Amino acid sequence: EPEVTQTPSHQVTQMGQEVILRCVPISNHLYFYWYRQILGQKVEFLVSFYNNEISEKSEIFDDQFSVERPDGSNFTLKIRSTKLEDSAMYFCASISQVNYGYTFGSGTRLTVV
Amino acid sequence: QKEVEQNSGPLSVPEGAIASLNCTYSDRGSQSFFWYRQYSGKSPELIMSIYSNGDKEDGRFTAQLNKASQYVSLLIRDSQPSDSATYLCAVKINDAGKSTFGDGTTLTVKP
Repeated sequence: EPEVTQTPSHQVTQMGQEVILRCVPISNHLYFYWYRQILGQKVEFLVSFYNNEISEKSEIFDDQFSVERPDGSNFTLKIRSTKLEDSAMYFCASISQVNYGYTFGSGTRLTVV
Repeated sequence: QKEVEQNSGPLSVPEGAIASLNCTYSDRGSQSFFWYRQYSGKSPELIMSIYSNGDKEDGRFTAQLNKASQYVSLLIRDSQPSDSATYLCAVKINDAGKSTFGDGTTLTVKP
């Protein structure tokens, strides 16, 4: 069964450092998303991406965040200057049709110290 | 009012029983409804999608949708210990693609 692949599985970074989280969506999917889940809290929407541009973003997704699809397979989330409150699980998701349910990647646990 | 609200847990049922999970949503424009299962430390896994009023069955799982009451539920028949997880209700509005998730209900199935 096709999978969404995320790397790294766990990243520890110093406050103020830049991090890049990587995702390889399912190859024939067209819509890509980043969500995060702070420990013990709900899954929160960050950003959606379609046709090589952001289609929607949340209030969380401020100027410190950016997304990119640098080639035909990778989809990245960059946090420019990490804060302690950015510590969370970050999930990438993709779908082939916009009203479908997501296939999530296994997630990247980001710890900011 | 929360956009997506799930019945507070945790919910505990004996093996073989029916587990009933409930969810209400606030936006009447919502069109797509999903149930995800999330094991501790893992990513959410889609188990059911429902788009129109009524019941949808898939194996031991039945999703029920009532748009007039803004209510969606998930029934798990013949519950197994492996069903022990947190169940997330998620709702999409129109074709925005973004899903709004509830807080989740943690289910424990006791052998």
